Amino acid sequence: DTGVSQDPRHKITKRGQNVTFRCDPISEHNRLYWYRQTLGQGPEFLTYFQNEAQLEKSRLLSDRFSAERPKGSFSTLEIQRTEQGDSAMYLCASSFTPRPNRQAGNEQYFGPGTRLTVT
Amino acid sequence: RKEVEQDPGPFNVPEGATVAFNCTYSNSASQSFFWYRQDCRKEPKLLMSVYSSGNEDGRFTAQLNRASQYISLLIRDSKLSDSATYLCVVNEGTGGFKTIFGAGTRLFVKA
Repeated sequence: DTGVSQDPRHKITKRGQNVTFRCDPISEHNRLYWYRQTLGQGPEFLTYFQNEAQLEKSRLLSDRFSAERPKGSFSTLEIQRTEQGDSAMYLCASSFTPRPNRQAGNEQYFGPGTRLTVT
Repeated sequence: RKEVEQDPGPFNVPEGATVAFNCTYSNSASQSFFWYRQDCRKEPKLLMSVYSSGNEDGRFTAQLNRASQYISLLIRDSKLSDSATYLCVVNEGTGGFKTIFGAGTRLFVKA
């Protein structure tokens, strides 16, 4: 399977605990995205990497959230001191940088997500 | 005003019907546009990119109107398997990497 993978698929944790999620993108993709999705809403952009560089962070990403992509391949998203409001589906997606003059580009392919429940 | 707005749902249509979804975006500098499909409790899957000239893929047709900042998706001859949530997606920013999703429009196709 050469798609985007995420681990774990489900995580239940108690409020105040730290959690870490992993994303393995499609191997030839240099761009990696993290999103959060709650029921009835579309995914909300959290952060973006091009290779190992984190180029954009949403204001949704509080100080308790940190993401890394140390070697430009897999990425981790850590949430410290979890709160009940952090309960959501955390989605990872990857894409490649579109070629110049290409009409479209940056088609993103999503992993299955990690469903976080904070009790 | 939301950055990406979609028709409120749900849409309930019989098999064989034609259904159209609309989407507007607020940032005139937006660079690329997509429609995704999301089944219940699954990840979004790319349905089609939306090109300036419009594009068609089988029963699906997407249109982009940059002047009006409007995107549409037309589904002809609806199938039961088309039942899903359809998400309008816009890429903004230099390099077009900041991605904004609409809230989605739910479609139910009934026999």
